[in-house]
Amino acid sequence: QVQLQESGPGLVKPSETLSLTCSVSGGSITTYCWSWIRQTPGKGLEWIGYIYDSGYSSYSPSLKSRLTMSVDTSKNQLSLRLSSVTAADTAVYYCARTRTGRNSFDSWGQGTLVTVSS
Amino acid sequence: EIVLTQSPDFQSVTPKETVTITCRASESIGSSLHWYQQKPDQSPKLLIKYASQTISGVPSRFSGSGSGTDFTLTVNSLEAEDAATYYCHQSSSLPITFGQGTRLEIK
Repeated sequence: QVQLQESGPGLVKPSETLSLTCSVSGGSITTYCWSWIRQTPGKGLEWIGYIYDSGYSSYSPSLKSRLTMSVDTSKNQLSLRLSSVTAADTAVYYCARTRTGRNSFDSWGQGTLVTVSS
Repeated sequence: EIVLTQSPDFQSVTPKETVTITCRASESIGSSLHWYQQKPDQSPKLLIKYASQTISGVPSRFSGSGSGTDFTLTVNSLEAEDAATYYCHQSSSLPITFGQGTRLEIK
């Protein structure tokens, strides 16, 4: 049973960069597509982007200019970097797995709350 | 961007009732529609994929139907543990989008 675990700072200052890692255990990071999704009370679930083990990625148009996703197959980890954050980026951030970018999310991490505040 | 609109936003039901949640897409998405259940302080859990395909380990009282723009999630003989928020998700085209959620309260 694959397990996903998000980690990173819970508090980020406005205008700084939010950095998160998703560690995958119990399965390989290869042959799957990995998404980042965030959830806020006001906007619900919002897809941020996805990345394959090859490094091929697709980002949400609304976040694309501030977003970088990467994958480290040697560590079985994904990374997310979101620059120039504002209070609107405060959310619970999840990593989730799909077979391809056109499938359902069959595994999710527990999520990590990131608050943007000075 | 494909907009998914769920109805109702909230429903209060009694155990053993049957409830239907609908998800309407702003354009046709074929059967690329998936349903999730999220309980408080938990991550979403996949219930139904591709509109009507069942997921191993999910109780058989959960079923889905629909295609094109109109989809339904039906929960038969509700149990107390079904209290949760339910979301639909489309994977037909990018960006991936979710419905706003339907909160189900069990009286």
